[in-house]
Amino acid sequence: SQTIHQWPATLVQPVGSPLSLECTVEGTSNPNLYWYRQAAGRGLQLLFYSVGIGQISSEVPQNLSASRPQDRQFILSSKKLLLSDSGFYLCAWDRQYMNTEAFFGQGTRLTVV
Amino acid sequence: KQEVTQIPAALSVPEGENLVLNCSFTDSAIYNLQWFRQDPGKGLTSLLLIQSSQREQTSGRLNASLDKSSGRSTLYIAASQPGDSATYLCAVSTAGGSYIPTFGRGTSLIVHP
Repeated sequence: SQTIHQWPATLVQPVGSPLSLECTVEGTSNPNLYWYRQAAGRGLQLLFYSVGIGQISSEVPQNLSASRPQDRQFILSSKKLLLSDSGFYLCAWDRQYMNTEAFFGQGTRLTVV
Repeated sequence: KQEVTQIPAALSVPEGENLVLNCSFTDSAIYNLQWFRQDPGKGLTSLLLIQSSQREQTSGRLNASLDKSSGRSTLYIAASQPGDSATYLCAVSTAGGSYIPTFGRGTSLIVHP
């Protein structure tokens, strides 16, 4: 069966520090991968998606970047965090070219202080 | 650009009531519509996926309907229980080259004993 792992679960970082959140998927190959952010009182905002290794599409210009060094690994990064980067970050995957459901990780609660 | 709206934003009901949660979307050219459940501080759990060619899907006490032409979906929860308390999110995957889900802001449901 397929599983998705996301870590860490919670993170408190000072303004200006770097960030690295990791997401891995098991039990499938060549998935679409997504990073979403959920801010308090707002819906899920798509940040990045990837259809393959090294292929990253950004939905909104911001302080964050994403990389996909391996087929089932998706990393969200920042060189210098801002207060506005605080939120709940969710990784998700679904099957490419197939009209199927999306599966989500358990999320990372990031607080920038 | 696809926009997804969920009504009501919050709902509090006594145990045993039948509930209807609403989701509307602006672009009817969709691949599918998915309903998710999110517990506080957790990731999203997929509840039901309705393909664009389908009119409804059922799972236990949950029934989701889709009226693509009018841009609407409803999630019906029968005989609600306190364990149903969570935020319910609707997501639409739109035609046009990608399956990327666009989310509504969710309905926060509290079922009290």
